[in-house]
Amino acid sequence: AQSVTQPDIHITVSEGASLELRCNYSYGATPYLFWYVQSPGQGLQLLLKYFSGDTLVQGIKGFEAEFKRSQSSFNLRKPSVHWSDAAEYFCAVGAPGGYNKLIFGAGTRLAVHP
Amino acid sequence: EPEVTQTPSHQVTQMGQEVILRCVPISNHLYFYWYRQILGQKVEFLVSFYNNEISEKSEIFDDQFSVERPDGSNFTLKIRSTKLEDSAMYFCASSWGLAGSNGELFFGEGSRLTVL
Repeated sequence: AQSVTQPDIHITVSEGASLELRCNYSYGATPYLFWYVQSPGQGLQLLLKYFSGDTLVQGIKGFEAEFKRSQSSFNLRKPSVHWSDAAEYFCAVGAPGGYNKLIFGAGTRLAVHP
Repeated sequence: EPEVTQTPSHQVTQMGQEVILRCVPISNHLYFYWYRQILGQKVEFLVSFYNNEISEKSEIFDDQFSVERPDGSNFTLKIRSTKLEDSAMYFCASSWGLAGSNGELFFGEGSRLTVL
């Protein structure tokens, strides 16, 4: 069965520092991979997605993620965090050509110190 | 920019009561979904809907739940007899293509359901 693990429940960084949020997935083949962000009181917004091709994908708000097949990982990165990036981040996996749903990780809550 | 809208934003109900959560998906989208997020837990898939029928549902989506697209614009989730454990944030989403494929999901802001 598909599953997604986000090992870090909470992360705190200083504004301007770099950020990496970890995501590992379990799936028999190469899945489709997504990162969503949820700001307080808001819905889920897609940051970026990986379907195939270049393993480094660029997203909105200066985020990027790298797919590493050998590590079954899809970590989210940002070189310099802004206070407005404080939110909850969800990694999700979809099954190509089959399931019409996404499986989400438990989320990582990001706090940003000024 | 087109968006998914949900009503109500918050509903409080008594255990055993029926609840209907409403969603207006993006107008040219073909696939519709409900997800839920119990406080402090992960977002969970409930059901997907395409071509006026359920295409997939999770084990959470039991006989107490139903979905409907009554008029070609609204997409509703009905909980027939609410239980305490139904308290959660319910997210509606829509996509033009398959969710796990090339269809990006657009989520609404959620409806918070509190069952007392």
